[in-house]
Amino acid sequence: QVHLVQSAAEVKKPGSSVRISCKASGGTFRNFAFSWVRQAPGQGLEWMGGIIPVFGTTNYAQRFQGRVTITAAEPTSTAYMELSSLRSEDTAVYFCARTPVEWLILRQYFDYWGQGTLVTVSS
Amino acid sequence: QTVVTQEPSFSVSPGGTVTLTCGLSSGSVSTDYFPSWYQQAPGQAPRTLIYSTNTRSSGVPDRFSGSILGNKAALTITGAQADDESEYYCVLYMGNGIWVFGGGTKLTVL
Repeated sequence: QVHLVQSAAEVKKPGSSVRISCKASGGTFRNFAFSWVRQAPGQGLEWMGGIIPVFGTTNYAQRFQGRVTITAAEPTSTAYMELSSLRSEDTAVYFCARTPVEWLILRQYFDYWGQGTLVTVSS
Repeated sequence: QTVVTQEPSFSVSPGGTVTLTCGLSSGSVSTDYFPSWYQQAPGQAPRTLIYSTNTRSSGVPDRFSGSILGNKAALTITGAQADDESEYYCVLYMGNGIWVFGGGTKLTVL
């Protein structure tokens, strides 16, 4: 059974950073890529970036370049997303999402999702 | 900048059929973008419905189907039920490990 379990909610000050984790179970970690998707209050979903652990590569949406860092730790089957220089507009629920990597080819969809982590940025 | 377009809202009667679409601000959506569809109920994580244009995810009932209609991707719900009332998101794969979400369609069943 597949589970993506994310870390607990965070409250942060403007200008600080936040690091969220996503622990995966129910599959071999290196057979998957992990993306981070955020949802501001009352807004839609937005892809921020992702990591493909088997290749050690990351990709980021242009608007988050320079502020987001996505990493993965295979021994603990955990993906991380760190967002820096936080501002109030970063208040959102952050989801991790899994993508299969089959025969070293990245599939083009998300098959499972984490439960979401609320990050509140407030002074 | 790539913008993926969806109808902001749609309504359907119980038992009815509705088709939601997913387009590009410039250009056409084709299978090359591997369109996928996700359902999100309020306060919940998204659920995968359709991937690679028309493949249903495990456990998704066959009244959900995906296709390309003209220059857009489409999600059709046949025999709509009350619990289909949700937000539906289209996602296009841009290549090189990059995805873009549409703005979502709020579906009302009434």
